[in-house]
Amino acid sequence: GAVVSQHPSWVICKSGTSVKIECRSLDFQATTMFWYRQFPKQSLMLMATSNEGSKATYEQGVEKDKFLINHASLTLSTLTVTSAHPEDSSFYICSARGGVVTETQYFGPGTRLLVL
Amino acid sequence: GQNIDQPTEMTATEGAIVQINCTYQTSGFNGLFWYQQHAGEAPTFLSYNVLDGLEEKGRFSSFLSRSKGYSYLLLKELQMKDSASYLCAVADSNYQLIWGAGTKLIIKP
Repeated sequence: GAVVSQHPSWVICKSGTSVKIECRSLDFQATTMFWYRQFPKQSLMLMATSNEGSKATYEQGVEKDKFLINHASLTLSTLTVTSAHPEDSSFYICSARGGVVTETQYFGPGTRLLVL
Repeated sequence: GQNIDQPTEMTATEGAIVQINCTYQTSGFNGLFWYQQHAGEAPTFLSYNVLDGLEEKGRFSSFLSRSKGYSYLLLKELQMKDSASYLCAVADSNYQLIWGAGTKLIIKP
């Protein structure tokens, strides 16, 4: 139980395009989903927290107009990187809180974004 | 401020035992988590402690002392595949996870 999927796993795009990443909790309802970014050899960095049906809460320094988050249902959240630039290239990981141990965050496998 | 401390890197030998410590200072406490993260992959959940004491799960055990703001992850019978980063995280009063920087564990034959 407590499986989280992410799609796509890899994205290569041109600078200026927008990229959408989906995060799904497959076997539980996630009251809260989280989006993280991780640069090589660095720690996880929380970008935003989203609850179903409400606006996401962004961490300081994260541009909400650039990283659009939609939490449409208890099993789906999407992150759209708008007008991506090379510096947005990173490993984006979502997590979902819920399942048997409701306080636990279960992570998706991550999405590698490379902006050329 | 909120702070999680854990060693940056540790080295151990295959078949041995290693203990990774984590100390924390947070505003509120709703549990402590350990995650394993292999290079290039997302973290996977290992354990959750909210009460004092030792939780054992196969080769991995996690200990918590709330009064001391201290936890450790104990790995027994180390295998090469245990080479990874181990992340300590504390849920604060709002259930937000405060993350440690992770401990890179290197296993040598």
